[in-house]
Amino acid sequence: GENVEQHPSTLSVQEGDSAVIKCTYSDSASNYFPWYKQELGKGPQLIIDIRSNVGEKKDQRIAVTLNKTAKHFSLHITETQPEDSAVYFCAASKPGTYKYIFGTGTRLKVLA
Amino acid sequence: EAEVAQSPRYKITEKSQAVAFWCDPISGHATLYWYRQILGQGPELLVQFQDESVVDDSQLPKDRFSAERLKGVDSTLKIQPAELGDSAMYLCASSSGQVVRYEQYFGPGTRLTVT
Repeated sequence: GENVEQHPSTLSVQEGDSAVIKCTYSDSASNYFPWYKQELGKGPQLIIDIRSNVGEKKDQRIAVTLNKTAKHFSLHITETQPEDSAVYFCAASKPGTYKYIFGTGTRLKVLA
Repeated sequence: EAEVAQSPRYKITEKSQAVAFWCDPISGHATLYWYRQILGQGPELLVQFQDESVVDDSQLPKDRFSAERLKGVDSTLKIQPAELGDSAMYLCASSSGQVVRYEQYFGPGTRLTVT
């Protein structure tokens, strides 16, 4: 069935450094890839997304890249801050039901 | 800013009891989703509504779970009887349902503990 793999499961970086989280999807029909940030005890919050007709998208310190051929996409956070500490989830969706298949999550810790 | 509302935020129940969760999506959003998130894992879809109709409930354990969205607005998810393995975060999300709009917006969730 459809599957999204996410790595690493945990990531610790020093404040100011960059963080990269990678996801691989299995269904080649997937064409929408959102990233969510989830803080403790809260619901996931959409932080950035990318569609299959675009290779890269940036929003201030956050960027997402997509390689359709390899079926993988990545989240890049630059100049990390302590408030970036959270669990990050990637997801993939395709036309039709538009339902999301989520990755297993990455716990990011930004050390001050 | 419009938000998805959920209640209760926390629920503790004994196994074999019934429990219900409520969700009010963002106004005007036609598509509503219920997800279950086990600690340390990503959310998994339980049921998807388009207006008042179920689009996908393939992962809903229908022997004990039920979901309804009678007027195509708010929704209720019920578990009866609850089992220990149902302890999880239950998340509701909504989207506009328009073909070109994929974005799903999540509520704060209901944390269920079954004892």
